[in-house]
Amino acid sequence: ETGVTQTPRHLVMGMTNKKSLKCEQHLGHNAMYWYKQSAKKPLELMFVYSLEERVENNSVPSRFSPECPNSSHLFLHLHTLQPEDSALYLCASSQYSGYEQYFGPGTRLTVT
Amino acid sequence: GESVGLHLPTLSVQEGDNSIINCAYSNSASDYFIWYKQESGKGPQFIIDIRSNMDKRQGQRVTVLLNKTVKHLSLQIAATQPGDSAVYFCAEILNSGYSTLTFGKGTMLLVSP
Repeated sequence: ETGVTQTPRHLVMGMTNKKSLKCEQHLGHNAMYWYKQSAKKPLELMFVYSLEERVENNSVPSRFSPECPNSSHLFLHLHTLQPEDSALYLCASSQYSGYEQYFGPGTRLTVT
Repeated sequence: GESVGLHLPTLSVQEGDNSIINCAYSNSASDYFIWYKQESGKGPQFIIDIRSNMDKRQGQRVTVLLNKTVKHLSLQIAATQPGDSAVYFCAEILNSGYSTLTFGKGTMLLVSP
């Protein structure tokens, strides 16, 4: 596969569930990002990993927990989410010192 | 013309027309700007970029104009096609090393045959 892939593409979970979103990039990049896209807000940056270290956490609630085991993979672990967390979660990657970010197709998350 | 929809400003044009999508950015220190296109069910895709030391940049059928005085960015699409229908976002970048994009709200472009 090429580019940035995300799994699953759709996820429905209850508020007491624990699930994980996965992102994989095949571009040789060394920075990865999680964004939240909801209907009434611009794209919101959640986390940034650069060279496998978390460099930014934009006041995201602790019920979202990112993990970056290597430069190609990024996870977002979810637990005890709220209905307002329902959104499209997008992963992106870029080259260190590169400006352009390449996005995956997103995971559509619904919290019931 | 341009109208405000339920969630996003919407621009409706006829196929073959030229489209202009506008964006106001927030930080005068931003040194790089990108336009992204997002089709339904897909992630944002890069269209064109421009550095703050430029006023204009042209691509294939697209032109980006930057007015730093009023912190305004525009995307012009020539001979708009139905396949151009999507949501368009501008993004400004403040950091180097890793890039931190700040996205605008987005504009939905609807192209009628």
